[in-house]
This record gives sequence, structure tokens and C-alpha cells, in this order.
Amino acid sequence: TQLLEQSPQFLSIQEGENLTVYCNSSSVFSSLQWYRQEPGEGPVLLVTVVTGGEVKKLKRLTFQFGDARKDSSLHITAAQTGDTGLYLCAGRPNNNAGNMLTFGGGTRLMVKP
Amino acid sequence: GAGVSQSPRYKVAKRGQDVALRCDPISGHVSLFWYQQALGQGPEFLTYFQNEAQLDKSGLPSDRFFAERPEGSVSTLKIQRTQQEDSAVYLCASHTRLAPTSTDTQYFGPGTRLTVL
Repeated sequence: TQLLEQSPQFLSIQEGENLTVYCNSSSVFSSLQWYRQEPGEGPVLLVTVVTGGEVKKLKRLTFQFGDARKDSSLHITAAQTGDTGLYLCAGRPNNNAGNMLTFGGGTRLMVKP
Repeated sequence: GAGVSQSPRYKVAKRGQDVALRCDPISGHVSLFWYQQALGQGPEFLTYFQNEAQLDKSGLPSDRFFAERPEGSVSTLKIQRTQQEDSAVYLCASHTRLAPTSTDTQYFGPGTRLTVL
């Protein structure tokens, strides 16, 4: 059972469209990270959000951390074919004394030309 | 500089065979993590090393799984008597800190795709 639930699991859109990916939990997280993973590669960190309500922008990507630090979203504006990949959210719960990351199930995005 | 490397990149094993997966972390990185990523899923934590000490192995799914890092650099994940449910991508990640904080980046290798027939 994933502690972090991502939705949607799959998303297929046309180039130029906007999209939002959600990462939800019943647990509070000290921070959340978003990763992108391409086939045959390991996840690569996109951003870390730490403060409840925080919004970070990375070019056409906007990341938001919920006020209660239980959820996060990733919004992509004017998607490009190069955005295709698996998007993963990950975090460490507040009560986790370990150092490992807990990942969501991922959202597989396909952007068609 | 060189990133995290893993070998082999692909491994096909017959059910019941033993396999050994290798991880070469970034030079100087003291923390090392193993994750298992099933097809279509996010990675799940297996075990964590701080130098040569295995501090957390709570994610290892059974006693058939064993990991070591004897000299605090290269790590090997061994799976004995492989089963079909072991088929997955095994990811290794490393970090320079002794105890990465919640905002630190873990650097992932490309993974080893294990297929058990």
C-alpha cells in the first residue's frame, strides 16, 4: 500500500495542453519531492517543497505543497513532447525516523505531437 | 563527474537461481539506498547503508534478500532462490551526507532490470 497516492496514473495529452498531477496522503510530510523518470533511467529530482502552502516554479512546471503538508500538485503549462515520462512524488513522513524516501505510484505522462 | 552506476543493467534468471546486483555510488558518498520498483509502480525502499553499516533493512521483503557494503563504497544486493515476484527494477541511490535530511537529493543509478522466468 502506497502511503502517497498519485493521480491520475496515466495521462495522454496533445502538445500545448495544460495538465495537473496530484499527490495525496493522510500523513503529514516534512517535505515532498517531485522526480521525473525516463525509461531505463533512475529518477531525477525536479524540486523539493518544504513549507505548507509553498509554490515553486521551474520554467513551465509549477509545484505546490498543501497548507497541511499532506498533499502536493504539479502543473505543467503548454506541455511539450519532451515532458513525456514518469512523474513521481516522494517524501519523508514527519514520524519517520529513517532516511528513506516514500514514493507515490507515479503518473505516466505521454505528450503527443 | 561520474554518477551512480549499476551492473548488470539487465538480468534474466531462472526461478530458483541466485543473483547479485552491483551498485557503484558516487565517489565519497557515504549514504547508500536500495529500492525496488515493480512494473508501473513507484520505487519502494529496501535497505540503507551509512558507510559499511547497514542501518535499516526494514524494506527487504524476505530473508532471501541480502545486501552488503563491506568497504563502505560498492554495494551488492543478493537475491537467493529467485521467484517470479522478484521481477522488478532495482535502483540504487547515494548521498554525500551521513544522514540525508528531508530536503536533500538522492542521486539514483539507472537500475538493474531483473526478470525471473
